[in-house]
Amino acid sequence: TQLLEQSPQFLSIQEGENLTVYCNSSSVFSSLQWYRQEPGEGPVLLVTVVTGGEVKKLKRLTFQFGDARKDSSLHITAAQPGDTGLYLCAGPIVGGKLQFGAGTQVVVTP
Amino acid sequence: SQTIHQWPATLVQPVGSPLSLECTVEGTSNPNLYWYRQAAGRGLQLLFYSVGIGQISSEVPQNLSASRPQDRQFILSSKKLLLSDSGFYLCAWTPRGGMSGNTIYFGEGSWLTVV
Repeated sequence: TQLLEQSPQFLSIQEGENLTVYCNSSSVFSSLQWYRQEPGEGPVLLVTVVTGGEVKKLKRLTFQFGDARKDSSLHITAAQPGDTGLYLCAGPIVGGKLQFGAGTQVVVTP
Repeated sequence: SQTIHQWPATLVQPVGSPLSLECTVEGTSNPNLYWYRQAAGRGLQLLFYSVGIGQISSEVPQNLSASRPQDRQFILSSKKLLLSDSGFYLCAWTPRGGMSGNTIYFGEGSWLTVV
């Protein structure tokens, strides 16, 4: 089974600070996706990374796919309260399904 | 544009009662459809997925079943709910061809509390 492990499980920071969330696997993934989920809602896609070593930026969010395509990171610069949420990484596995990590709960306080 | 809806949004049911959660997708044809369950603040567990009408694959043994009576309709059911069935249920879809390289789109979710 291809597992995705996310760390840390929980992160609480002050507004303006930076943070990094990690997604690691022992298996190679053809692509990885990052989602953000707010309480009581479904996850919403932030980005898909496909190429090993790829870096994508979405405003203050920077996503990186590891060279070996086994890991990915999400870095948020100058976090704001609106960044609060559950961040999930996910990757496609055999059978056309999507494997999700357990998620990192991020809380940004004013 | 494509949209996905699921209902009801919240549900409180007694142990032993039946369950029916419904999900419909609009604006696309032949989607792959999925039911996920999520524990509070944690990741998603795939319960069922379907690549076509009447075609259902179950990922984990459980007290639930799924049906796809129409191309864009996916239903999650139970004949007798257990306390452990409580959770946040999410319906989702991807374009035909599955997950690889495709975005998965989620419904709004349904909170089920079994009492």
